[in-house]
Amino acid sequence: NAGVMQNPRHLVRRRGQEARLRCSPMKGHSHVYWYRQLPEEGLKFMVYLQKENIIDESGMPKERFSAEFPKEGPSILRIQQVVRGDSAAYFCASSVGRGLLEQFFGPGTRLTVL
Amino acid sequence: DQQVKQNSPSLSVQEGRISILNCDYTNSMFDYFLWYKKYPAEGPTFLISISSIKDKNEDGRFTVFLNKSAKHLSLHIVPSQPGDSAVYFCAASDNTNAGKSTFGDGTTLTVKP
Repeated sequence: NAGVMQNPRHLVRRRGQEARLRCSPMKGHSHVYWYRQLPEEGLKFMVYLQKENIIDESGMPKERFSAEFPKEGPSILRIQQVVRGDSAAYFCASSVGRGLLEQFFGPGTRLTVL
Repeated sequence: DQQVKQNSPSLSVQEGRISILNCDYTNSMFDYFLWYKKYPAEGPTFLISISSIKDKNEDGRFTVFLNKSAKHLSLHIVPSQPGDSAVYFCAASDNTNAGKSTFGDGTTLTVKP
């Protein structure tokens, strides 16, 4: 049973470009969470999604960031017009359900903005 | 306002001794606490959890203690092994926001052979 998969593992973008980060949850998991880890900091919650629904996006910056989890395919975290401050490791996690609070994390995507 | 704090950024212990990692929280609504372990270039992996109805949970070498009145929890690793060297994150959640975990900034544990 494959774990949570994220791609790409490393992404380099120039300022103003778009970044798309993908996350495939574990088989049987329908709940996906995105976290961001800035250098020397902990993981900060960004967004919680179920299939076709955003449940909680309280940690998402109001502009340039969006997330989706379509009926088919991976969850996508999209960052438009990236800036240097977006450089971070972005982790995706999944869980079986809302009540089970253990989350399984992917290996992360390290975004570098030049 | 950081609701989950790990005040020690790093900890170094000798192999075979006990490692104690601490975590404090401010939100009294938190009722479920988790510890995750993270190696470089990997995602965090779940280690152990505790519900607020308990004050201790044990799993092999790992024990988590919860002191609700002090809003404090700790992770004990005994005996510590070099393979335990990693960053340890404390996380907390409450029943009304069950999908959202609030993480501390982590403590880097180094276990010396």
